Amino acid sequence: NAGVTQTPKFRVLKTGQSMTLLCAQDMNHEYMYWYRQDPGMGLRLIHYSVGEGTTAKGEVPDGYNVSRLKKQNFLLGLESAAPSQTSVYFCASSLPYLTGNTEAFFGQGTRLTVV
Amino acid sequence: DAKTTQPNSMESNEEEPVHLPCNHSTISGTDYIHWYRQLPSQGPEYVIHGLTSNVNNRMASLAIAEDRKSSTLILHRATLRDAAVYYCIPKPAYGGSQGNLIFGKGTKLSVKP
Repeated sequence: NAGVTQTPKFRVLKTGQSMTLLCAQDMNHEYMYWYRQDPGMGLRLIHYSVGEGTTAKGEVPDGYNVSRLKKQNFLLGLESAAPSQTSVYFCASSLPYLTGNTEAFFGQGTRLTVV
Repeated sequence: DAKTTQPNSMESNEEEPVHLPCNHSTISGTDYIHWYRQLPSQGPEYVIHGLTSNVNNRMASLAIAEDRKSSTLILHRATLRDAAVYYCIPKPAYGGSQGNLIFGKGTKLSVKP
């Protein structure tokens, strides 16, 4: 059981380049999330999805786009990377928080450096 | 969203109990209290959650104050592997954006051999 898998694990981009981070989960979860974590900080929510074909903005969505074409995949895109987007990106998934009685599962992270 | 206050850091000796406090004085009556931890260079992992009663699982115990304005995560015997940042997160009992996990800075726990 792989859980939540993020691809790639590391990446260096030049300013202005674009890239897509892939998150895949095999737990049939409805909800998926993208967070970023800067040094010494907690995680901040970028975008999330409550189901296939549905996405919504989180706390820090600017400069990012997302797509959820398949239930098991959640893609995070950077159209024109900036040094301020240097961070560690985490994907997570969960069952719907219908009762608050559920837990989220996180991937191992993608370390992105924009030079 | 309910605000939380946690110590920036704590230290413990290996094989001793650790009590990690969290204040959440603005918590709603229907918010669950979740705890996650993040080991070095890893994604967060779920530890435990509760609503009103004290809770136990294989990883830890959660003691919730009677007025629910604070809680304490208890590691009964700290191991070196428990060195991590621990996050206390109140979470509403419904879905949508209100159900998202909002992370603070957490408490960095160091465990000495």
